[in-house]
Amino acid sequence: DGGITQSPKYLFRKEGQNVTLSCEQNLNHDAMYWYRQDPGQGLRLIYYSQIVNDFQKGDIAEGYSVSREKKESFPLTVTSAQKNPTAFYLCASTGAGDTQYFGPGTRLTVL
Amino acid sequence: SQQGEEDPQALSIQEGENATMNCSYKTSINNLQWYRQNSGRGLVHLILIRSNEREKHSGRLRVTLDTSKKSSSLLITASRAADTASYFCATDEGSSYKLIFGSGTRLLVRP
Repeated sequence: DGGITQSPKYLFRKEGQNVTLSCEQNLNHDAMYWYRQDPGQGLRLIYYSQIVNDFQKGDIAEGYSVSREKKESFPLTVTSAQKNPTAFYLCASTGAGDTQYFGPGTRLTVL
Repeated sequence: SQQGEEDPQALSIQEGENATMNCSYKTSINNLQWYRQNSGRGLVHLILIRSNEREKHSGRLRVTLDTSKKSSSLLITASRAADTASYFCATDEGSSYKLIFGSGTRLLVRP
């Protein structure tokens, strides 16, 4: 069953805590992306990676970090420096074409 | 940066009616894509139209692109209650790796 998986579905963070969101794909895609979506809004790009061991900042990278040690995995860490992290986080990947394939998302809430 | 802007922000129609939503963008593009998002879920790719195409069909979907006006429209014919979702346009920036999403149109199809 090919696709993109994200875990957990729901995540709660205390103030000052770092949390890591998982994104895994078995589509053999080179490029992977992390987006943030606030209620009633569109998607904003946090980080993207075109290839293993390489990634670039998107439009709202401050307070976030990523790694791309394996082609299949692109975890996102929300650090304590992100002052307003409550949002819906979406991971996506792209193969040879321009279409992005999305995971089901992780809803992060700060307590 | 916000490239695509959808209009209207929200649309409520009766089942069986057609739904039209529009997208405007600011810079030159290679292609424009439309995605659908059910509440609390990931995005699903609907259709891609390239800059040298003017119209494209897929089932009950019809997309037009006017590069001179930097605008696109998505028409859903004979709408169904299951079409209730948010619809987003996304454009590239001349790079196939990054997409910029608009803020979306929330469509409600009343049974």
